[in-house]
Amino acid sequence: GAVVSQHPSRVICKSGTSVKIECRSLDFQATTMFWYRQFPKQSLMLMATSNEGSKATYEQGVEKDKFLINHASLTLSTLTVTSAHPEDSSFYICSARGGRYADTQYFGPGTRLTVL
Amino acid sequence: AQSVTQLGSHVSVSEGALVLLRCNYSSSVPPYLFWYVQYPNQGLQLLLKYTSAATLVKGINGFEAEFKKSETSFHLTKPSAHMSDAAEYFCAVTHLLIQGAQKLVFGQGTRLTINP
Repeated sequence: GAVVSQHPSRVICKSGTSVKIECRSLDFQATTMFWYRQFPKQSLMLMATSNEGSKATYEQGVEKDKFLINHASLTLSTLTVTSAHPEDSSFYICSARGGRYADTQYFGPGTRLTVL
Repeated sequence: AQSVTQLGSHVSVSEGALVLLRCNYSSSVPPYLFWYVQYPNQGLQLLLKYTSAATLVKGINGFEAEFKKSETSFHLTKPSAHMSDAAEYFCAVTHLLIQGAQKLVFGQGTRLTINP
């Protein structure tokens, strides 16, 4: 199956700083990438959807100015958490679909963000 | 609108016993259905998917699922549980008849515990 990577796997930052998370499709062109947030012992919550070369579409209640998403190429999307606060601490997971994997989302390994 | 209900947030079976994880869906259009598995602190791994071909779908690690339209179900089974099957399992639904982002709608997840 398709391979999706995320970097970093874990990040700790101080309150007020910005953090960038990268999501890469390694063996296919991802026309669409998705960003999710997962709280402990809960299901995934979709934050936004991004199509390559277009602005991301955010779900209701997600602050687009706080969670900046860029999908500048067919293999890379980035999520930047701006002015992070402790309540932003969470597990962030990306997924991607496209090309021969057009009908299935493949997920990255996730990024654990801790804001002190 | 689409929705997914996973019956049982926690299922416990003995090693070697049958695994049955239940998933019922609601969709106004023909659905595409997926089962994903998540190990602690990791992303989601695709187990199997139904995309309107054979109703009995075989996946990785000995799992299979049967699409039953009359029962709006897509239950996941494995004949003999292994200790390594202990994880969180998510059922998800989407559709591809309408062009767009093809968002996944997830169930709340079922935590599978294997007793030695």
